[in-house]
Amino acid sequence: TQLLEQSPQFLSIQEGENLTVYCNSSSVFSSLQWYRQEPGEGPVLLVTVVTGGEVKKLKRLTFQFGDARKDSSLHITAAQPGDTGLYLCADNTNAGKSTFGDGTTLTVKP
Amino acid sequence: NAGVTQTPKFQVLKTGQSMTLQCAQDMNHNSMYWYRQDPGMGLRLIYYSASEGTTDKGEVPNGYNVSRLNKREFSLRLESAAPSQTSVYFCASSEAFGGNYGYTFGSGTRLTVV
Repeated sequence: TQLLEQSPQFLSIQEGENLTVYCNSSSVFSSLQWYRQEPGEGPVLLVTVVTGGEVKKLKRLTFQFGDARKDSSLHITAAQPGDTGLYLCADNTNAGKSTFGDGTTLTVKP
Repeated sequence: NAGVTQTPKFQVLKTGQSMTLQCAQDMNHNSMYWYRQDPGMGLRLIYYSASEGTTDKGEVPNGYNVSRLNKREFSLRLESAAPSQTSVYFCASSEAFGGNYGYTFGSGTRLTVV
């Protein structure tokens, strides 16, 4: 089973700051997804990355997939309080039994 | 646009009691899943149903059973609840089997076993 390591575990920043969170594995990802989970809710899919070196943008969020497909990052520009939540990465290598990382808990203070 | 609906939202059980968690999706998805989420342990797959009529064990199936009642509904049963089953349970669905399609999650059932 693919083991995913997310860092940092916790991040607390002021509104307007930039941040990057990471998802790493010792094995190659077949594809990787990022989810955001708000308190009391289920995770919501943000993006799927498939190709090594791929970069996807979703408004102020930029997702990168490493060239070797063993790591991914999520960069948020000018963070807002609405970005607060748990950010999870998920690997889909294991034939439909996706593996989720433990997540990065982000708090953006007004 | 209901998506995935889970009931109940909260439940407290005594050790040894049984209960069934209900899940329904209205997106005509073929595959459905049950996950549990514990602090510091991420989401772990309990059971899944790749398509109507099939179910399979995930990473942590012990103490649970599932039923894919029809294409829309996938229930999770705890026959004899234990404190170790205190967790938040999420049902999810996907258009087809395999995470590449992305999962749509319900809002969860918060279960406490005392």
